[in-house]
Amino acid sequence: GDSVTQTEGLVTLTEGLPVMLNCTYQSTYSPFLFWYVQHLNEAPKLLLKSFTDNKRPEHQGFHATLHKSSSSFHLQKSSAQLSDSALYYCALSDNNAGAKLTFGGGTRLTVRP
Amino acid sequence: EAGVTQSPRYAVLQEGQAVSFWCDPISGHDTLYWYQQPRDQGPQLLVYFRDEAVIDNSQLPSDRFSAVRPKGTNSTLKIQSAKQGDTATYLCASSPDWGYEQYFGPGTRLTVL
Repeated sequence: GDSVTQTEGLVTLTEGLPVMLNCTYQSTYSPFLFWYVQHLNEAPKLLLKSFTDNKRPEHQGFHATLHKSSSSFHLQKSSAQLSDSALYYCALSDNNAGAKLTFGGGTRLTVRP
Repeated sequence: EAGVTQSPRYAVLQEGQAVSFWCDPISGHDTLYWYQQPRDQGPQLLVYFRDEAVIDNSQLPSDRFSAVRPKGTNSTLKIQSAKQGDTATYLCASSPDWGYEQYFGPGTRLTVL
C-alpha cells in the first residue's frame, strides 16, 4: 500500500536560517503529493501541492520539488520566520479526483528568535 | 464561503460510553472524509463517502465505529463503546468532485478516561 515517511519528528532552528523538511513516499501509482501545515489547535491547511514532475510549486515562501526518480517531495524555505513554527505533514493521494490522503507522521518545526 | 464545520469541539467520556460527531462539509463538495489523528501523529483515514455512498471504510473498526451520510451532505461518525485507545482528534474533510485538495474542519478532540 501507499506510505509516506518524514524522517525528522522535530526540527528546531533559528529565525533567518534555511528550512528543509524531508518527505519520501512509496506508491503503486504515480501519486500527487501535498504539504499540509497545522498550527496549534487548528485544522491542517494545504500549503503546497504538486501534480507534475520537476515543477516547483511555491507558497508563503515555501517550495517543494517532486522527484519521481527518488520518490521525494522535500519542503524548503530560504529563511525561516517565527510564524513558521507549526506541524508539517507530507501526504499523497492517487491521481484521481476525490481520492483519500495518506499522511506521513509529521514534523514539528520550531523557529527560535 | 463557509468552511467545514464540526461539533462538538471537545468530548470527554468514560470507557464504554457512546459518542457522536457531526460534520457539515463545504457546500457543493461531493466527497467527505473522516480521519483519526492520535496525539503527535498524522491523520489516518477512517472512512470516506462520495455523495451518500461509502467508498472506503476498510480502516473503520466496524465493531464499535459507524459512519453515515444519508443525504450526501452532513455526516455523523459514532463510537458505540469508547475505549481509551480512541483518544484522538477526529477530523472531517471535504473536497469537490473535480478537485484533489481536501479542506479540513477544526476537529473534535476526544478524551476517553
